[in-house]
Amino acid sequence: GESVGLHLPTLSVQEGDNSIINCAYSNSASDYFIWYKQESGKGPQFIIDIRSNMDKRQGQRVTVLLNKTVKHLSLQIAATQPGDSAVYFCAEKLYYGQNFVFGPGTRLSVLP
Amino acid sequence: ETGVTQTPRHLVMGMTNKKSLKCEQHLGHNAMYWYKQSAKKPLELMFVYNFKEQTENNSVPSRFSPECPNSSHLFLHLHTLQPEDSALYLCASSQDRSSGGAADTQYFGPGTRLTVL
Repeated sequence: GESVGLHLPTLSVQEGDNSIINCAYSNSASDYFIWYKQESGKGPQFIIDIRSNMDKRQGQRVTVLLNKTVKHLSLQIAATQPGDSAVYFCAEKLYYGQNFVFGPGTRLSVLP
Repeated sequence: ETGVTQTPRHLVMGMTNKKSLKCEQHLGHNAMYWYKQSAKKPLELMFVYNFKEQTENNSVPSRFSPECPNSSHLFLHLHTLQPEDSALYLCASSQDRSSGGAADTQYFGPGTRLTVL
């Protein structure tokens, strides 16, 4: 079956720098995407979503970019803080479809 | 995170024990989910309930038995589990599964860390 994957299993960034976490998806029909953040000992927390009729969406310190041509999703975190240290994973599905397909996750470590 | 609560947070059980996991959502949602999260693997959907009716069983072994008495509560009854069932079990809820789109965005609880000896 088709799946969602992440290019980098781990990412280390310096505090204050910007972070970019990538996600590749293989189902070209997917048109709804979510980024989740999962801190140690906690459940996944919704960060931001995007539909395929958009190529960019901004939240507080986060931006999601969608490139449908190459089936690529990215999460940009501005001015990364220690509290951003977590596993980040993407999820995709058909907008009116049933189940999300979740990626395996990328661990973000913020260095002091 | 307080929108979806799960108890217990940690559970150790033997293979012959019977235990139950509890989930409660305070978001007014109508759909609830059980997921299994194992190390280094993506989230695996187990069960889905929409308006208290089970709409999906993702080929889960019968040693896992879900129960949804109302839209706010979800249980996962466990019996004669195997060591490979050790994982983080996550409950989630969404506004309305049948509408799709953003209404299906799932909000997760903190999970129950299960260890089967």
